[in-house]
Amino acid sequence: ETGVTQTPRHLVMGMTNKKSLKCEQHLGHNAMYWYKQSAKKPLELMFVYNFKEQTENNSVPSRFSPECPNSSHLFLHLHTLQPEDSALYLCASSQDLGSTDTQYFGPGTRLTVL
Amino acid sequence: AQKITQTQPGMFVQEKEAVTLDCTYDTSDPSYGLFWYKQPSSGEMIFLIYQGSYDQQNATEGRYSLNFQKARKSANLVISASQLGDSAMYFCAMRETNTGFQKLVFGTGTRLLVSP
Repeated sequence: ETGVTQTPRHLVMGMTNKKSLKCEQHLGHNAMYWYKQSAKKPLELMFVYNFKEQTENNSVPSRFSPECPNSSHLFLHLHTLQPEDSALYLCASSQDLGSTDTQYFGPGTRLTVL
Repeated sequence: AQKITQTQPGMFVQEKEAVTLDCTYDTSDPSYGLFWYKQPSSGEMIFLIYQGSYDQQNATEGRYSLNFQKARKSANLVISASQLGDSAMYFCAMRETNTGFQKLVFGTGTRLLVSP
């Protein structure tokens, strides 16, 4: 199994739908992250979890709701999204939160909100 | 001020040639880490190379090397012997102590196109 997996790879949803993105890491890491990558903008950190506890919420709107049931799994629950939320959502993990801890990314979920 | 600046939106290189992708950074923190990632059209961010602020030597990983000039706050990526599969977006990123190392701040990226 590859290091960090994400499902689904592609998602199209309406503004009234509720959906969830799933991330799983097989690297034995303790920290997990959600990033948003919009067209022509740098990657934006959304949430950080360390040992299942949320340590960072980068002023993300409440229509995005993360969940981390254990150190290997991370979810992003989506509801009443806006078209501007269409983006590539990337999950990452790292051993810990140290300066030398490399973040390894999953393949991303390309989300389109109609 | 931007934390990470990549001034080259696009770069072209011929196969087997070397190419340098520029990255400058801004921090007042003495301890930080610098990273380069490759993002093919498939979307996955692939880790390439890491340089710590206290590392005395430039980092190298296979065909990738990092030209770290601390006084100039630059961390350029050098790809030697380019291959067609190197065509992708390349991102420079930094982690600082003063954010508890939680934030990996990315630049806007450079699109590299390798031609036969």
